[in-house]
Amino acid sequence: DIVLTQSPATLSVTPGDSVSLSCRASQSISNNLHWYQQKSHESPRLLIKYASQSISGIPSRFSGSGSGTDFTLSINSVETEDFGMYFCQQSNSWPRTFGGGTKLEIK
Amino acid sequence: QVQLQQSAAELARPGASVKMSCKASGYTFTSYTMHWVKQRPGQGLEWIGYINPSSGYTEYNQKFKDKTTLTADKSSSTAYMQLSSLTSEDSAVYYCAGITFAYWGQGTLVTVSA
Repeated sequence: DIVLTQSPATLSVTPGDSVSLSCRASQSISNNLHWYQQKSHESPRLLIKYASQSISGIPSRFSGSGSGTDFTLSINSVETEDFGMYFCQQSNSWPRTFGGGTKLEIK
Repeated sequence: QVQLQQSAAELARPGASVKMSCKASGYTFTSYTMHWVKQRPGQGLEWIGYINPSSGYTEYNQKFKDKTTLTADKSSSTAYMQLSSLTSEDSAVYYCAGITFAYWGQGTLVTVSA
């Protein structure tokens, strides 16, 4: 199975900061990497697909980059509504796997 | 608009089975696979498997293969997941996710307790 390692586990930031979240795959997955946001007691929400493709309805401050084994989710000027958990997921091979998550919290 | 409406929370005894549902609306049910994901309290996400509603073909994560049965009813645009031989390790929220994970149900909480 492909292991996705997310870092950091927790990121404490002030609204207005810009941040980068990392997701590293145990083997190359091309660009088959997707990002989700999950707020407390809510379902996950797809933010970015195929590493860098934007999703309709998602604010433009969210962007993704990377290919192969190293991927980054960037949030330009964090807003209070952005706090929560972020997960990456690979669709390169079965079984689909998720990273352990990064918690974005208010400093 | 696309919606995935999941069934209500379940309380089950150890050793029992539960069957939960995910009713799709707002798109052609048979055009997209339906995935199921497990999330234990305060934990990450685990992919359980998927079903192709058009053909009935299923693919399971080996970890859940003996635990889970996925089915779909095209006439009602509803996907189902049955969990068998329940233990405390099965207590979790279970999500259905469709159209390549772009849409998620609200989750079904399963609590296994004597």
